[in-house]
Amino acid sequence: EPEVTQTPSHQVTQRGQEVILRCVPISNHLYFYWYRQILGQKVEFLVSFYNNEISEKSEIFDDQFSVERPDGSNFTLKIRSTKLEDSAMYFCATGKTGGNQPQHFGDGTRLSIL
Amino acid sequence: SQQGEEDPQALSIQEGENATMNCSYKTSINNLQWYRQNSGRGLVHLILIRSNEREKHSGRLRVTLDTSKKSSSLLITASRAADTASYFCATGPPYNTDKLIFGTGTRLQVFP
Repeated sequence: EPEVTQTPSHQVTQRGQEVILRCVPISNHLYFYWYRQILGQKVEFLVSFYNNEISEKSEIFDDQFSVERPDGSNFTLKIRSTKLEDSAMYFCATGKTGGNQPQHFGDGTRLSIL
Repeated sequence: SQQGEEDPQALSIQEGENATMNCSYKTSINNLQWYRQNSGRGLVHLILIRSNEREKHSGRLRVTLDTSKKSSSLLITASRAADTASYFCATGPPYNTDKLIFGTGTRLQVFP
């Protein structure tokens, strides 16, 4: 069964540095999402992306964050000037259709900010 | 904002027993979905129930939805050790959005 692939599985970064998290979506999916899960807390929506632009973003997704699909395959999340509180699991999800339909999640990137 | 709260937070049962998990939410929904998360892995979609449906079955899974009480339950029958995971409900708002809003989750442990 097709899978969403995320790299790296674990990223350790010094505070203030920039990180890029990568996701390879399922090939015929058109809707892309990033969620995060701080340890012991809920999975939180960050951003949705469709037709090469952001369709929705949460309050968490401020100017520190950006997303792009630079080569038509990888879907990336960039976090600038990382802070300790950015430490979390970041999940990429994709969907064939939008409108709250089932989403397929990758296994996540564990981001640790030191 | 709507918020999914699940109970119990943790549930331990023996193989063969049934497991019931509950989810409550606060505002209107388009649909409600249940996901499973094995330790260290991503979320896997299990089942979706629309706001105009009351019950849905998929294999050993049975989901109910009561929109008047803003609650849903997930029943896993004849549980297996492999069912050990965290289970989350996720609601889809009725307005023009794709995002899912996840609950707090129930950690299910099934002992052989």
